[in-house]
Amino acid sequence: NAGVTQTPKFQVLKTGQSMTLQCAQDMNHEYMSWYRQDPGMGLRLIHYSVGAGITDQGEVPNGYNVSRSTTEDFPLRLLSAAPSQTSVYFCASSYGRGGNEKLFFGSGTQLSVL
Amino acid sequence: GEDVEQSLFLSVREGDSSVINCTYTDSSSTYLYWYKQEPGAGLQLLTYIFSNMDMKQDQRLTVLLNKKDKHLSLRIADTQTGDSAIYFCAESMDDKIIFGKGTRLHILP
Repeated sequence: NAGVTQTPKFQVLKTGQSMTLQCAQDMNHEYMSWYRQDPGMGLRLIHYSVGAGITDQGEVPNGYNVSRSTTEDFPLRLLSAAPSQTSVYFCASSYGRGGNEKLFFGSGTQLSVL
Repeated sequence: GEDVEQSLFLSVREGDSSVINCTYTDSSSTYLYWYKQEPGAGLQLLTYIFSNMDMKQDQRLTVLLNKKDKHLSLRIADTQTGDSAIYFCAESMDDKIIFGKGTRLHILP
């Protein structure tokens, strides 16, 4: 049972480049979310989804897009990377709606934007 | 606004008790959580408390909730070197879980 799988683990981008961070879960979880972790800032919610076809914004959505075409996958897109997006990104999922369920986290993607 | 506050650092001697404190904002939060993050890893749920409870005990862990003051604490008894990690307080808010900045627990020999 793989749980929540994030790829890649590390990525270096130049300012203005685009990329997609992948997140997949094999637990049939309805709820998926993306957080970024920065020193001294804790985890901040970027976007979340309560089910396939439904997405919503979190605390810091600007510069990021998401889609949820299947239950299993929840990719995070950076359309034009900026140095301020240098961070560690975590994908998390839960069985039910996000507020009342245990979150399962992936191992993170460390992104550097030069 | 959405804001969960906790102190950033705590140093405790091995064998002593650790107490990590947190204040949260949403009085309607159904659940309050403590997550643990070890170096280079994602977060893992340590324990949680339902909003109608005052206390929850789970082996070495004790969670205290003061709803009037919106204050949550995590006590780790007999702190061990393996407890060295970052501890995040989190509150449920509608369909979101909002995290604090995390408290880094350092264990002194």
